[in-house]
This record gives sequence, C-alpha cells and structure tokens, in this order.
Amino acid sequence: GAVVSQHPSRVICKSGTSVKIECRSLDFQATTMFWYRQFPKQSLMLMATSNEGSKATYEQGVEKDKFLINHASLTLSTLTVTSAHPEDSSFYICSARIGSGNTDTQYFGPGTRLTVL
Amino acid sequence: DAKTTQPPSMDCAEGRAANLPCNHSTISGNEYVYWYRQIHSQGPQYIIHGLKNNETNEMASLIITEDRKSSTLILPHATLRDTAVYYCIVRGGSGYSTLTFGKGTMLLVSP
Repeated sequence: GAVVSQHPSRVICKSGTSVKIECRSLDFQATTMFWYRQFPKQSLMLMATSNEGSKATYEQGVEKDKFLINHASLTLSTLTVTSAHPEDSSFYICSARIGSGNTDTQYFGPGTRLTVL
Repeated sequence: DAKTTQPPSMDCAEGRAANLPCNHSTISGNEYVYWYRQIHSQGPQYIIHGLKNNETNEMASLIITEDRKSSTLILPHATLRDTAVYYCIVRGGSGYSTLTFGKGTMLLVSP
C-alpha cells in the first residue's frame, strides 16, 4: 500500500510554545490530506481536511487559528499547534487520499505523540 | 454516511480464523464498506473495502450480505500481530466524504 510518514514521532514541549508536525506522502501525490486527533482510549476524531493550494476545512469545534494547516505541495501537509497547552496533549495522525470518487482510499501516517508540559 | 455497529471486543486463538461482524442496516446504495485496523499507538492501517461483492486481498476477506445490511471481515489465519482495534466504516455517497471512526472491535489474538 501507499506510505505516509509523519515527523516527529513524538514531541514534548512547554506550555505556550508552538509545535509543527509534518505529514508526507512518500510514493504518491495527494491533493487531499486529513488531520485527526486521538485522546487516550478514544477513537480518532477528524480535525480538518487539508487541500493542496487552498485553505483547510476545519471540523466544528476545532480552532483554525490554533491549529494551522499548510498544504503547500502534493506530498506535504503541516499542522502547527500554536501556543500549546496541556489539554492539547494528544496523538495526532494524518492521512492522505489516493484515488477519486467513491472508491478513494485513505492511508494513514504512524502518528505523532504530543505532550505539553 | 451510515452508522455501523460492532461488538466492543472479540477473542481469537492464534492460527484460527477471526470473523469480525459489522452491522450497517442504514447503508445506502452508493456507500462503500471500509475496514481499517489500529495497532496500539500506531496510525490506522487500511485493510479492505467493498460495495456489494465479496472482496479478498492479501490481508483479509470481506463478505457483504446480499441486502448489504451487514458484513464480516475475515482474517483467515490470525496471528498475535493481528491484535488490534478493527474499525468498520461506511462512507461514500456523493463526492469525497470523509471517514468517521466509531469505537471499533478490539480483537485479542491469544497463543
């Protein structure tokens, strides 16, 4: 299957700092990528849809000014958590879409564990 | 997208077939059934998807009932590495709908 990478795999930061997470599709181009968040013992929750060359679409309740998404190329999307606080500590996972229409498939990255002290 | 119902947990002996059920009684005609799994502390892994015909790949088989109201994911020879949460997701419809993850089934494969 298609490979999606994320960097870093884990990050620890102080409260108030910003953290950037990269998501790359390694062997395919993705016009659309997705960012999810997963809290302990819960399922994945979609945060936003990232479209190459245009603004991201955020899900209800997700602050676009706090979670900045940039999708500048067909293989890279970045998520920046600005002014991080302990409640932002979570497992952040990206995915990239391959295909079109009803049969497209999303492939997921390995995730980034963010801990805010 | 239609909602799915899965048992919260299942056990399977190593080497035996694991049959994971999923109910999706409100599925519409143009919606596909997708299966993903998530091993602890990793990103979800795509397994298989189908519309109405049974599907098979190197990982698993997907059996969809004729009325499409339920499906079963079959891992023919489960190994310890198949221990994971398995998600059955119905999506499709018009354009590019997103994946909505439920709680899934925690499959525990034991020696």
